[in-house]
Amino acid sequence: GAGVSQSPSNKVTEKGKDVELRCDPISGHTALYWYRQSLGQGLEFLIYFQGNSAPDKSGLPSDRFSAERTGGSVSTLTIQRTQQEDSAVYLCASSLKSSDSYEQYFGPGTRLTVT
Amino acid sequence: AQSVSQHNHHVILSEAASLELGCNYSYGGTVNLFWYVQYPGQHLQLLLKYFSGDPLVKGIKGFEAEFIKSKFSFNLRKPSVQWSDTAEYFCAVNVPYSGAGSYQLTFGKGTKLSVIP
Repeated sequence: GAGVSQSPSNKVTEKGKDVELRCDPISGHTALYWYRQSLGQGLEFLIYFQGNSAPDKSGLPSDRFSAERTGGSVSTLTIQRTQQEDSAVYLCASSLKSSDSYEQYFGPGTRLTVT
Repeated sequence: AQSVSQHNHHVILSEAASLELGCNYSYGGTVNLFWYVQYPGQHLQLLLKYFSGDPLVKGIKGFEAEFIKSKFSFNLRKPSVQWSDTAEYFCAVNVPYSGAGSYQLTFGKGTKLSVIP
């Protein structure tokens, strides 16, 4: 079946602009996660959704970052007033339900470059 | 908060050599442990996981890992590597039964493995 999909695959934006990154989880997966992979920092957790609610937003690095999920499916990560340090690969993952023992399936990521 | 250390940034091996990649975590309580692999141009895939039970877990493609609680370690091993194992390997941990934060994975910085034919 289809895996996690993300769009766009690459995004180049100018410093100060807003960007939206989209994630389509595997059908039927109720839990959705956003991570960021950057040079020097490795993979960092950003936020997790169970259904449409986000019980854990502890990884969002600043109030410029926000995310929403509608219909228990697609999620959008929005970065306002982008900065160069936001350049990274943004990864989305989903799992069958939010449980300690459910495997997270990762998408291919969106490579964001802020110039 | 928990953290994960991977000792080697880049490992270079010849085909048929044995592999051991180190992973240590810092958390005194119960953890779930994972190894993920990212092949060139592909997305992260789960290699193996440990939740409880036998501390020696076997994963896909001949990989295995051993959980040693007293050493806070979860090292990845493979007796004989192939060129196709060239990839980046990430160790990760989550802390179950800890509320809303239970589900986030904390990753190590990754180890690049290059296998020379």
